Amino acid sequence: AQSVTQPDIHITVSEGASLELRCNYSYGATPYLFWYVQSPGQGLQLLLKYFSGDTLVQGIKGFEAEFKRSQSSFNLRKPSVHWSDAAEYFCAVGASDSSYKLIFGSGTRLLVRP
Amino acid sequence: EADIYQTPRYLVIGTGKKITLECSQTMGHDKMYWYQQDPGMELHLIHYSYGVNSTEKGDLSSESTVSRIRTEHFPLTLESARPSHTSQYLCASSETGSVYGYTFGSGTRLTVV
Repeated sequence: AQSVTQPDIHITVSEGASLELRCNYSYGATPYLFWYVQSPGQGLQLLLKYFSGDTLVQGIKGFEAEFKRSQSSFNLRKPSVHWSDAAEYFCAVGASDSSYKLIFGSGTRLLVRP
Repeated sequence: EADIYQTPRYLVIGTGKKITLECSQTMGHDKMYWYQQDPGMELHLIHYSYGVNSTEKGDLSSESTVSRIRTEHFPLTLESARPSHTSQYLCASSETGSVYGYTFGSGTRLTVV
């Protein structure tokens, strides 16, 4: 069965510092991979997605993610974090059974120090 | 503006009450989903629908039920609320041909006392 692991429950970075959020997936074929962000009291907003092609994917708000098949990873990065980036971040994989269900990781809470 | 709406945003209700969480979308999407989000943030699929009169149970067992009588409307009902139902419920929709192109609502935070 597919699964997504986000090993970091919380991450704290200083404003202006770089950020990397880790995501590992378990999937037999080439996965559909996603990163979502959730601000307090809000729903989820899509940051970026990977289906195929270039393994470095650009998203909104200055985020990017790199698909590494050999490591089964899809880590999210941002070169310079802003205080408004503080939120919950979820990695997700599309189910392999054509149901179009998304399977989410447990999330990483990003805290930004001024 | 095309969007997906969930009401109410917050609900505090007593044990044993029947409740319905509303979800409506104006985008004409055929697929709709309900996710339950634990206080510890994990999201679990509890129901989904591929179109009118189509509903399926998700990966997490839930005592709630859903209906899809109209394309735009996908309400979730709890016949008898219990404290264990306290959670955030997120509704999402996606369209055929837009693989996993989910749009999420803002969620309903339910507290059963």
